[in-house]
Amino acid sequence: NAGVTQTPKFRILKIGQSMTLQCTQDMNHNYMYWYRQDPGMGLKLIYYSVGAGITDKGEVPNGYNVSRSTTEDFPLRLELAAPSQTSVYFCASSYGGLSSTDTQYFGPGTRLTVL
Amino acid sequence: AQSVTQPDIHITVSEGASLELRCNYSYGATPYLFWYVQSPGQGLQLLLKYFSGDTLVQGIKGFEAEFKRSQSSFNLRKPSVHWSDAAEYFCAVEVDSSYKLIFGSGTRLLVRP
Repeated sequence: NAGVTQTPKFRILKIGQSMTLQCTQDMNHNYMYWYRQDPGMGLKLIYYSVGAGITDKGEVPNGYNVSRSTTEDFPLRLELAAPSQTSVYFCASSYGGLSSTDTQYFGPGTRLTVL
Repeated sequence: AQSVTQPDIHITVSEGASLELRCNYSYGATPYLFWYVQSPGQGLQLLLKYFSGDTLVQGIKGFEAEFKRSQSSFNLRKPSVHWSDAAEYFCAVEVDSSYKLIFGSGTRLLVRP
């Protein structure tokens, strides 16, 4: 199993550009999450999904969109990049919700800089 | 609003010394509690978690944590630190069975040889 994979690893965007951060998991997990980690801070939840076709907002959803057309993939879309979106983005997945004995598995992250 | 506080931004310990990382949470009921470790350039790895039952929880890599309801704390401990433990450690809580984790700002552990 590759686990949770994210592409790209690094990206520099200009203000106003758009991009999609890719996230794929091969563990047949139902739940998937997107977090951002700002320097010196903990992770904040952007969006999450409890299954294909179902998504919901987390703490900091503004400026982002997601979709979940398959169990494996959970892409994160930035439509109009802003400097405030400079961050490291982590995707995670779990089989069930956190209330189970399940574990969230994290990808290696995408470091995004908006100039 | 629920919050998680890790009061120590950095901690430096000597290899072989004991370690305690502090975590306090603000929440009316007992949340589910987690400790994660993040090595440089890596994603997060779960060390341990508390859902209910025994308040002393054992995790991977020789770590343990103790839930103290009266102090709203969930401190992480290790009796003897190894150089490979140098990393950033995050405490997190899940509230209301919401699948959402609220993270503390992290504690960076440095290990002196």
